[in-house]
Amino acid sequence: SQTIHQWPATLVQPVGSPLSLECTVEGTSNPNLYWYRQAAGRGLQLLFYSVGIGQISSEVPQNLSASRPQDRQFILSSKKLLLSDSGFYLCAWLPGQPNTEAFFGQGTRLTVV
Amino acid sequence: QKEVEQDPGPLSVPEGAIVSLNCTYSNSAFQYFMWYRQYSRKGPELLMYTYSSGNKEDGRFTAQVDKSSKYISLFIRDSQPSDSATYLCAMRRYSSASKIIFGSGTRLSIRP
Repeated sequence: SQTIHQWPATLVQPVGSPLSLECTVEGTSNPNLYWYRQAAGRGLQLLFYSVGIGQISSEVPQNLSASRPQDRQFILSSKKLLLSDSGFYLCAWLPGQPNTEAFFGQGTRLTVV
Repeated sequence: QKEVEQDPGPLSVPEGAIVSLNCTYSNSAFQYFMWYRQYSRKGPELLMYTYSSGNKEDGRFTAQVDKSSKYISLFIRDSQPSDSATYLCAMRRYSSASKIIFGSGTRLSIRP
C-alpha cells in the first residue's frame, strides 16, 4: 500500500534561518506531489505542485521554493525564513491518473520566532 | 471570487443531530469532489470521494453533488462527539496534472 512520510512534525526556527522540509511517498511511482500551507483556522493554500522529477509549478510568489530531486521525494525550502512563514505545512500526493483522490502526510508545524 | 467557497462556521450541534456541510464552486471544469476531515494538528484524512452528480453514501456519511448548481454537500447522520473536527471540501479538474483546490474548512463541534 502507498504511504506518505513528512518530517519533522514540529519545527521552531529563528527569523533569517534556512528551512528544509521533506516529503517522501512509498508504494507508488510517478505521483503528483503538492505542498500546502494552512494558517491557523484557515483553509489549505496550495504553494507548489509537481507532476514529475524537476517539474515544479509555483502558485503564489513567496519566500519559499520547492524541488523534486527524485520521483517520490518533494522538498520545501527557504533560504531565510520570515515570521509570516509560520504555519502548518502539508504534503499531499495522488496517482498520475485523473480520477483519483489526494492523500496527505501528517504535516509539519513551523513556528518562526 | 474564490474558486471554492465554504462557510467557516463554527457549527455546533447536539449529539445525534443530522449535520449538513456545504460548498459552492465557480469553475464548471471541476469534475472530482472530495470531503476531508481534519482533527486539530493533524493532516486531513479523506472521507468521501465522488465524481458524478447525485448522492454517495458511506455509513453515516452522504456526499451530494449538484453540478448544475455548482453545489456540493456532506451530510452526517447520528452525529457523534468524535465527529468534532474541521471538514474541508476539495475539488479538481479531469486532468492527471490538475491542482486540488480546497475550501476554507468548516469547524464542527458535536455537543454530548
